[in-house]
Amino acid sequence: GQQVMQIPQYQHVQEGEDFTTYCNSSTTLSNIQWYKQRPGGHPVFLIQLVKSGEVKKQKRLTFQFGEAKKNSSLHITATQTTDVGTYFCCMDSNYQLIWGAGTKLIIKP
Amino acid sequence: SAVISQKPSRDICQRGTSLTIQCQVDSQVTMMFWYRQQPGQSLTLIATANQGSEATYESGFVIDKFPISRPNLTFSTLTVSNMSPEDSSIYLCSVITLAGIYNEQFFGPGTRLTVL
Repeated sequence: GQQVMQIPQYQHVQEGEDFTTYCNSSTTLSNIQWYKQRPGGHPVFLIQLVKSGEVKKQKRLTFQFGEAKKNSSLHITATQTTDVGTYFCCMDSNYQLIWGAGTKLIIKP
Repeated sequence: SAVISQKPSRDICQRGTSLTIQCQVDSQVTMMFWYRQQPGQSLTLIATANQGSEATYESGFVIDKFPISRPNLTFSTLTVSNMSPEDSSIYLCSVITLAGIYNEQFFGPGTRLTVL
């Protein structure tokens, strides 16, 4: 069946360093969405990617969708304390919603 | 966007009892979902709540254990039946709205369930 792998599980960074999380699917996707969940909160929608090779930016966040529509990445430049949380990809394949395991961004004190 | 409320926000229940969680949205939505999330874990989709018909359950979830109602476009309930400690989790409802640009899901604040 449909599988999605999200890595890494955790990433510890110094404030100001960059952060990247990756999602890979075993099958071609219709689209992929990214969500952020703050500690104690609920997931909040960030972006949806639909087109092959698509790249979208939101301030310091850059989202990419692979040419084969099987992988995606989220990159944060110069992390800030407000970026702390867990970032999830959510894959839509034939109306089946599958969530990645999430990558927790931790800012080192 | 959509404003979603869930009741109760948390509960502590005894083994063998049932709990019904309510999800209310402030606008009409196309789709409503119920998820389960263990602390520190990802989201697991339980079912899609269909208006006026039986919910569509994901593999591993059955109607007898998680009966769902959706009497109209803005309200749904999830019942966790015959609870055991393994059912302790956060239960989230989410919606996709008619006015959304994308198929983004808006989430309720969640219901934290502890089963003793």
